[in-house]
Amino acid sequence: KQEVTQIPAALSVPEGENLVLNCSFTDSAIYNLQWFRQDPGKGLTSLLLIQSSQREQTSGRLNASLDKSSGRSTLYIAASQPGDSATYLCAVLFTSGTYKYIFGTGTRLKVLA
Amino acid sequence: GAVVSQHPSRVICKSGTSVKIECRSLDFQATTMFWYRQFPKKSLMLMATSNEGSKATYEQGVEKDKFLINHASLTLSTLTVTSAHPEDSSFYICSAQGQMGTEAFFGQGTRLTVV
Repeated sequence: KQEVTQIPAALSVPEGENLVLNCSFTDSAIYNLQWFRQDPGKGLTSLLLIQSSQREQTSGRLNASLDKSSGRSTLYIAASQPGDSATYLCAVLFTSGTYKYIFGTGTRLKVLA
Repeated sequence: GAVVSQHPSRVICKSGTSVKIECRSLDFQATTMFWYRQFPKKSLMLMATSNEGSKATYEQGVEKDKFLINHASLTLSTLTVTSAHPEDSSFYICSAQGQMGTEAFFGQGTRLTVV
């Protein structure tokens, strides 16, 4: 069964801290992996997309890495700000089985001012 | 990035009525559209996958007669919740994708409340 897990489930950090969110998946046969941000009661905002052939992607203070062989991706947030407070979701598009994005369980981040 | 418009953003309906949610890809042709449901403080659960012109593929446990999905064109998919009940109250999100394996773009979601 294809599963996506995120650790930790919740995280609270002081402003300015660098932090790492983890995403693991059970099947290395993937098309791509996306990281999203979701604010309470809102839809999804795409942050970074990593294709299966790529090792990392960067956008501003965000850096996402992908290690297919170990089934892991990390989202690195540098110099965190209170505005970064949200739930972060990773989603994996697997190539085997039914074609669909499977979402991780999410990490609720709170950055304290 | 590409834009996916989901409408309405919020809807309140009475038990027993049907509600239609639209998902439009505004600037690209969506070969595949996905419909998700999200329970409070939970992740997104895939309900069904639809390809233009084909019947939707439903995930296990999702009632296809209750959640009708139509993907009649490359830019529009609809989800109709039939004979809605309070337990159908949830946040529904659609996603549209062009070619297989490319980035998926998400709508802003629809908050459905059944009273």
